[in-house]
Amino acid sequence: ETGVTQTPRHLVMGMTNKKSLKCEQHLGHNAMYWYKQSAKKPLELMFVYNFKEQTENNSVPSRFSPECPNSSHLFLHLHTLQPEDSALYLCASSQEGASSGNTIYFGEGSWLTVV
Amino acid sequence: QKEVEQNSGPLSVPEGAIASLNCTYSDRGSQSFFWYRQYSGKSPELIMFIYSNGDKEDGRFTAQLNKASQYVSLLIRDSQPSDSATYLCAVNEWGGADGLTFGKGTHLIIQP
Repeated sequence: ETGVTQTPRHLVMGMTNKKSLKCEQHLGHNAMYWYKQSAKKPLELMFVYNFKEQTENNSVPSRFSPECPNSSHLFLHLHTLQPEDSALYLCASSQEGASSGNTIYFGEGSWLTVV
Repeated sequence: QKEVEQNSGPLSVPEGAIASLNCTYSDRGSQSFFWYRQYSGKSPELIMFIYSNGDKEDGRFTAQLNKASQYVSLLIRDSQPSDSATYLCAVNEWGGADGLTFGKGTHLIIQP
């Protein structure tokens, strides 16, 4: 069990569906992230939130919409996805300024399949 | 465009030997460096981080950093079959909450 929990762990959705991924961190961190991991590609940073404010959006298509209501919760809203969006979506958190050099801690991930 | 390069492997090492994993990075401004281990079907877990030139040891693991050569390595002594996994190198530019840039990872196989 990690300090970052993600739900659902597995999700299958059609291209016309709307769904959301949820992440909660119990570590008291002030920054949260969404990463995408596809086969044979490096982890791709999608979004960064620092103290609930979005500080980075790495040219992610608008069919992915993040929401951060507070520093412990992060959502990724999904709509009209494409089959190539099938991947492992990882939530992570970190504490800026910590002696650990801003180490990020990952949740278990949400496996997404778009059909 | 920040890049982190790793040999994807697989790297095969006999049990009990030293496994050596290498990583180079393109952004000379990178400040902190991380090694994560990822088992198949699982999320990455932190092994160790380093931000000063030289060696840092933690149990069977030693991270080595050479900023002049933009090179980071991870040594695993007395390799065990349970060390078989993909090892991800990651760098952070300024130490702030701007996320890490990851390499593709090296697939390590420890042969019993």
